Amino acid sequence: LAKITQPISMDSYEGQEVNITCSHNNIATNDYITWYQQFPSQGPRFIIQGYKTKVTNEVASLFIPADRKSSTLSLPRVSLSDTAVYYCLVEDGQNFVFGPGTRLSVLP
Amino acid sequence: GAGVSQSPSNKVTEKGKDVELRCDPISGHTALYWYRQSLGQGLEFLIYFQGNSAPDKSGLPSDRFSAERTGGSVSTLTIQRTQQEDSAVYLCASGEGYGYTFGSGTRLTVV
Repeated sequence: LAKITQPISMDSYEGQEVNITCSHNNIATNDYITWYQQFPSQGPRFIIQGYKTKVTNEVASLFIPADRKSSTLSLPRVSLSDTAVYYCLVEDGQNFVFGPGTRLSVLP
Repeated sequence: GAGVSQSPSNKVTEKGKDVELRCDPISGHTALYWYRQSLGQGLEFLIYFQGNSAPDKSGLPSDRFSAERTGGSVSTLTIQRTQQEDSAVYLCASGEGYGYTFGSGTRLTVV
């Protein structure tokens, strides 16, 4: 499975849009990209999943370019409660690999 | 149940003792993973069960660690002769196809 890199940390202010980019250079044809959110003392929670182009749900958007070697999680108008670690994950339906996680701090 | 259940939620044990951690996956999910997360660190893969196939044990850090999954459902992670470096949160996830659901984890503290 793909080797994954993502920024270790990011800071933002309330109300701003936050974009977190994940690199997965050797992603395979069958791989999907999933993002998880983790709060302290809790297990990771599914946010969004995509294969290519753009996916949007009620909490986030996921942008995947044509070569699929990267993906960007977009969180619109973040609030203090969005402070968490965000993990990029690549999976092929049987196996998955987590990125190292990006610690997002939302400041007032 | 509606989600992945792990027990106990917290476990404090003395160095050298054995511990068992339990995971109840979502009913019908054939895939089950164990991960470990040390304080402030990312997720470290331990072991993977898929249906009746032989488990992928490539992430187990030493032969003190073992896991089994009975009847394709409940899984138990056993750590023998615990060491202080085993202190971490142990997370279980189950899934069917794409997308996984995680439990809240067991926080293990070895003193």
